[in-house]
Amino acid sequence: AQSVAQPEDQVNVAEGNPLTVKCTYSVSGNPYLFWYVQYPNRGLQFLLKYITGDNLVKGSYGFEAEFNKSQTSFHLKKPSALVSDSALYFCAVRDTTSGTYKYIFGTGTRLKVLA
Amino acid sequence: DTGVSQNPRHKITKRGQNVTFRCDPISEHNRLYWYRQTLGQGPEFLTYFQNEAQLEKSRLLSDRFSAERPKGSFSTLEIQRTEQGDSAMYLCASSTGLAGEQYFGPGTRLTVT
Repeated sequence: AQSVAQPEDQVNVAEGNPLTVKCTYSVSGNPYLFWYVQYPNRGLQFLLKYITGDNLVKGSYGFEAEFNKSQTSFHLKKPSALVSDSALYFCAVRDTTSGTYKYIFGTGTRLKVLA
Repeated sequence: DTGVSQNPRHKITKRGQNVTFRCDPISEHNRLYWYRQTLGQGPEFLTYFQNEAQLEKSRLLSDRFSAERPKGSFSTLEIQRTEQGDSAMYLCASSTGLAGEQYFGPGTRLTVT
């Protein structure tokens, strides 16, 4: 069965410091992996995705994520955090080999960037 | 491109009543998803359409829930005989292509009293 784990409910980081939001997954085949961000009173917005190819993917707002197949991880990173990055972040996975169209989302990590 | 829209944004209903929500996806998107989100949780998959065909439905979805997407355009999600446990945010998302990212609507918040 597919699953996604975001082990940290909240991550605090000082503005200007690098940030990492962790995600690990479990699928039986090859995954499509996504990160979304949710700002208060707004819908989820797509940040980036890994489909195939280069393990380091770059996305919106300076975010990037590294796909690590051996560790089944897809951590979200940014070299220098901004206060405006404070939001709820969700990792999502879809198993491409089991015939399902279902995307599984993690429980979310709240990022708080302190000025 | 006006994005994904959902109506109503809020719905308060009494237990036992039926409710229907509407989702208008981005016009060129052939894939449409419904999710349910409760506080402290990520979106939970409910069902998926490719054009007008409903291709997958969560086993968690009871027979009180039904969804349609006539003509492959807008979609409706109906909940019959609502229960308090149905209170949640119902999200709609659309995408295109096999690996396309999903564009989410603002959601419909359902409160069952």
